Amino acid sequence: QQPVQSPQAVILREGEDAVINCSSSKALYSVHWYRQKHGEAPVFLMILLKGGEQKGHEKISASFNEKKQQSSLYLTASQLSYSGTYFCGTEEGSGGSNYKLTFGKGTLLTVNP
Amino acid sequence: DAGVIQSPRHEVTEMGQEVTLRCKPISGHNSLFWYRQTMMRGLELLIYFNNNVPIDDSGMPEDRFSAKMPNASFSTLKIQPSEPRDSAVYFCASTLTVGGRHYGYTFGSGTRLTVV
Repeated sequence: QQPVQSPQAVILREGEDAVINCSSSKALYSVHWYRQKHGEAPVFLMILLKGGEQKGHEKISASFNEKKQQSSLYLTASQLSYSGTYFCGTEEGSGGSNYKLTFGKGTLLTVNP
Repeated sequence: DAGVIQSPRHEVTEMGQEVTLRCKPISGHNSLFWYRQTMMRGLELLIYFNNNVPIDDSGMPEDRFSAKMPNASFSTLKIQPSEPRDSAVYFCASTLTVGGRHYGYTFGSGTRLTVV
């Protein structure tokens, strides 16, 4: 079941904040977040596990509400380098032995000077 | 580490021809995934190997698609015969899965396939 991401696109000025959401209708064990720049491969940002804590990576952090099957990615004080398409990938199930990820359709983030 | 290596980077072929895409995962990674990316459908999982064994091929579109992983350092995705609707970017990704531990995927640079 493909997770749903929102918004589909967001435009920011440098220094502004953004939140990207990811929701699933299935029980989830983990949520991954990736960023893909145009013409390049997706790059891993972070993973959130069921029962785990909120993760952070520089000014990018994320949370995972396993009861609601939702995750959010928080970008604080955005930089030009944050521009790209952000994907969430969800691992369904409760046991953590699935390993395969189903990706959302992505959120296009554009940061302008 | 050189990362996940895919070849070729670009492939243009005529409808009906056989196409073979290649992937070398990161040494030590034991899970390998083939994804297809299009504007309409996004990133779709085609097949997933663990310890060289195909675990889930439910995403393979039809019998024209086949994938193999003869050893831990090499995998192929073959399309025979190819059709224009197969045009997409095909990504290979690898990760380490052991004892319930989860790690992020490392993606290769992808193969852009165009079938004319």
